[in-house]
Amino acid sequence: QSALTQPPSASGSPGQSVTISCTGTSSDVGGYNYVSWYQQHPGKVPKVMLYEVTKRPSGVPDRFSGSKSGNTASLTVSGLQAEDEADYYCTSYAVSNTWVFGGGTKLTVL
Amino acid sequence: QVQLLQSGTEVKEPGASLKVSCKASGYPFTRYYIHWVRQAPGQGLEWMGIFNPRDDTTSYAQQFQGRVIMTRDTSTDTVYMQLSSLRSEDTAVYYCSRDAAFGLFDPWGQGTLVTVSS
Repeated sequence: QSALTQPPSASGSPGQSVTISCTGTSSDVGGYNYVSWYQQHPGKVPKVMLYEVTKRPSGVPDRFSGSKSGNTASLTVSGLQAEDEADYYCTSYAVSNTWVFGGGTKLTVL
Repeated sequence: QVQLLQSGTEVKEPGASLKVSCKASGYPFTRYYIHWVRQAPGQGLEWMGIFNPRDDTTSYAQQFQGRVIMTRDTSTDTVYMQLSSLRSEDTAVYYCSRDAAFGLFDPWGQGTLVTVSS
């Protein structure tokens, strides 16, 4: 069970858009539409931002959106704000009722 | 409101076993799966396993097979995660989280800091 691949860092200026990728295999990301994204600020508990690739839980701004193509899922944050600076993790359902996380991406708002 | 309350900080010696509790409240306990996730200092999230409080079924990440056991106590709406043969690399914050909608991990417990050191 290998971790999903995310870029270690991403950045953008306030108001810009940034996209974070999450690459797996046909046994996880590519095989199921069950990719979620979590935001974690330093010292805090993770917070779900997207689930089932594109769905936003109530309270999550529509600046956060998701997509998937093949074995790669993506999180796009539009209209970057200072409070978006955090670590972001993707997770995907995999075979045999298991889940796997990505290594995480540190998003910096310049 | 829906809440998961975890047990407190633990310090363990190498080779010992650990048991972390996760008490659910605010929702029907047996209706939702519980995930366990850990995070080593300065590192990312690592999925450990999933537990079904309705029927005790489990699925564990391969790297924890043989070392982890997840159980429940329905009288107190509590799920437990036991990890044996602890080593220094098991030093981490351990989280439980409810699977609210197949991959929607929400809420999360507050985390339990476990330090493994001689």
